[in-house]
Amino acid sequence: SQQGEEDPQALSIQEGENATMNCSYKTSINNLQWYRQNSGRGLVHLILIRSNEREKHSGRLRVTLDTSKKSSSLLITASRAADTASYFCATDTGANSKLTFGKGITLSVRP
Amino acid sequence: KAGVTQTPRYLIKTRGQQVTLSCSPISGHRSVSWYQQTPGQGLQFLFEYFSETQRNKGNFPGRFSGRQFSNSRSEMNVSTLELGDSALYLCASGPIRSTDTQYFGPGTRLTVL
Repeated sequence: SQQGEEDPQALSIQEGENATMNCSYKTSINNLQWYRQNSGRGLVHLILIRSNEREKHSGRLRVTLDTSKKSSSLLITASRAADTASYFCATDTGANSKLTFGKGITLSVRP
Repeated sequence: KAGVTQTPRYLIKTRGQQVTLSCSPISGHRSVSWYQQTPGQGLQFLFEYFSETQRNKGNFPGRFSGRQFSNSRSEMNVSTLELGDSALYLCASGPIRSTDTQYFGPGTRLTVL
């Protein structure tokens, strides 16, 4: 079963609106990362948040981490058509020293 | 710095054949990881190489193998191809650990007929 599971599976919003995506995981983590993938291409790293951090910002991105609920959220503010992509969370549990990816959220931003 | 490069970008093979995919990491990166991405299974970890040694391996059959060269370039090989091997194969590099920020290449799209 997936360690990280994103929610919702698909999201469609209007340009200028905010997009919120959630990731839940099952076991304790060292860090959690968010990646973006444009259609059929490689993944691009967005942000890494460590288990002892609660919130991080990068430009229009805001990530929160709640280790008690084993969940994270990615907020994209003032969305643009160029934000249309799939978004993945990935967790480092420390075991096996590998990242485990969720199945992703498809975000569509309508112009 | 140049990004991660993967060759070839597209590949069509038939069942039973074998294939070799290549990945050149970002200069200075010593960790190279490989992932298989399919619509049904999502992103699945294949293996990771560090300083020419396989450091970690996912749950894939022995038909999937890889290696890393002294310049950190990596290759993965799939023998006796099956239809289910059709996927996007992604390579990622990092300075030291596969669990730190990963820099992905554009992928190789493999189609098995």
